[in-house]
Amino acid sequence: GDSVTQMEGPVTLSEEAFLTINCTYTATGYPSLFWYVQYPGEGLQLLLKATKADDKGSNKGFEATYRKETTSFHLEKGSVQVSDSAVYFCALISYSGTYKYIFGTGTRLKVLA
Amino acid sequence: DAMVIQNPRYQVTQFGKPVTLSCSQTLNHNVMYWYQQKSSQAPKLLFHYYDKDFNNEADTPDNFQSRRPNTSFCFLDIRSPGLGDAAMYLCATSRGQTGTDTQYFGPGTRLTVL
Repeated sequence: GDSVTQMEGPVTLSEEAFLTINCTYTATGYPSLFWYVQYPGEGLQLLLKATKADDKGSNKGFEATYRKETTSFHLEKGSVQVSDSAVYFCALISYSGTYKYIFGTGTRLKVLA
Repeated sequence: DAMVIQNPRYQVTQFGKPVTLSCSQTLNHNVMYWYQQKSSQAPKLLFHYYDKDFNNEADTPDNFQSRRPNTSFCFLDIRSPGLGDAAMYLCATSRGQTGTDTQYFGPGTRLTVL
């Protein structure tokens, strides 16, 4: 079945460092891809999405490009802030009789001042 | 501007005492979902409603039920909570259920079972 694989965390960075969180997927066809962010004690917030190959999603300085050749959707940010500390989930929409989200296991990011 | 609202944000119940969690939405979306999330793991889908049509996941325990009295509201009922049901419960909505429909999540209700 479809699946999403994220890099293990936690990822610990200093403020203003460059961030990459890897996400690869296995799916039939070309599913829509998402990044969600979850701050401590909160629900999931949509960060960005891409619905077709080569699309680039971007929001709040974060970017991710839908790469069908490498089946990847890596999240990047040029300069992280302490306020970016959170758990990041990569997800895709999978179809098996009905459309559902498949989430990765999440990657915790800690940014130190 | 809140779009998906969950009440309460924190709920404490006793072992075996029924509890109801509430979700409302101002997006007029057709689909409403309930997820269970433990310890920053990935959310686990319990069930969803497409309009009035209820869809249960195969591995959702019978202890969990849901009601959707109208488009805006959806409830999660836990009939006899066990210690293992302590978790964050997330409500989400989407306009439809296609390959591009985005889900929008509420802030969650953290359930503690004593």
